Amino acid sequence: NAGVMQNPRHLVRRRGQEARLRCSPMKGHSHVYWYRQLPEEGLKFMVYLQKENIIDESGMPKERFSAEFPKEGPSILRIQQVVRGDSAAYFCASSPLESTGELFFGEGSRLTVL
Amino acid sequence: EDQVTQSPEALRLQEGESSSLNCSYTVSGLRGLFWYRQDPGKGPEFLFTLYSAGEEKEKERLKATLTKKESFLHITAPKPEDSATYLCAVQALRGTYKYIFGTGTRLKVLA
Repeated sequence: NAGVMQNPRHLVRRRGQEARLRCSPMKGHSHVYWYRQLPEEGLKFMVYLQKENIIDESGMPKERFSAEFPKEGPSILRIQQVVRGDSAAYFCASSPLESTGELFFGEGSRLTVL
Repeated sequence: EDQVTQSPEALRLQEGESSSLNCSYTVSGLRGLFWYRQDPGKGPEFLFTLYSAGEEKEKERLKATLTKKESFLHITAPKPEDSATYLCAVQALRGTYKYIFGTGTRLKVLA
């Protein structure tokens, strides 16, 4: 059973470009969480999605950031018009139910904005 | 607002020197408290879930405990391979099922 797959693992963008980060959850998992991590800091919650629904986006910046989890295909975190402050590691996690079970994390996508 | 505070930020131990990491939390009713281990450049790896005060979980040299306000991760006779960042997270009873993480404790075990 493959784990949570994130791609790309590393992404370099210039200021003003768009970044698209993809996350394929574990098989059978219908809940996806996106977190952002700066060097030597904890994980900051961004958004929680189910298939075709955004459940909680309270951690997402109001502008430039969006997320989706379509019926078919991976979840996508999209950052428009990137700025240097967007440079960070973005982690995706999945779970099978909206329960108190553990989260299964991917290896992260590291975004560098030049 | 739900919050998680971990201490110390960083900890250096000699191999075999036992210690404890602290996770203090403020949450509007606790659904669950979670401990994760994160190695450099990797995603967090699940260790334990605790649901109610008084509960304890053990795995090899690690033991997690829970009270109504905090959790401890006890490390007994650590080895260099235990070096990692240990993250604590909580999930509240009310609201959505998001997980709130602390900033972690960076543990270094010296041979």
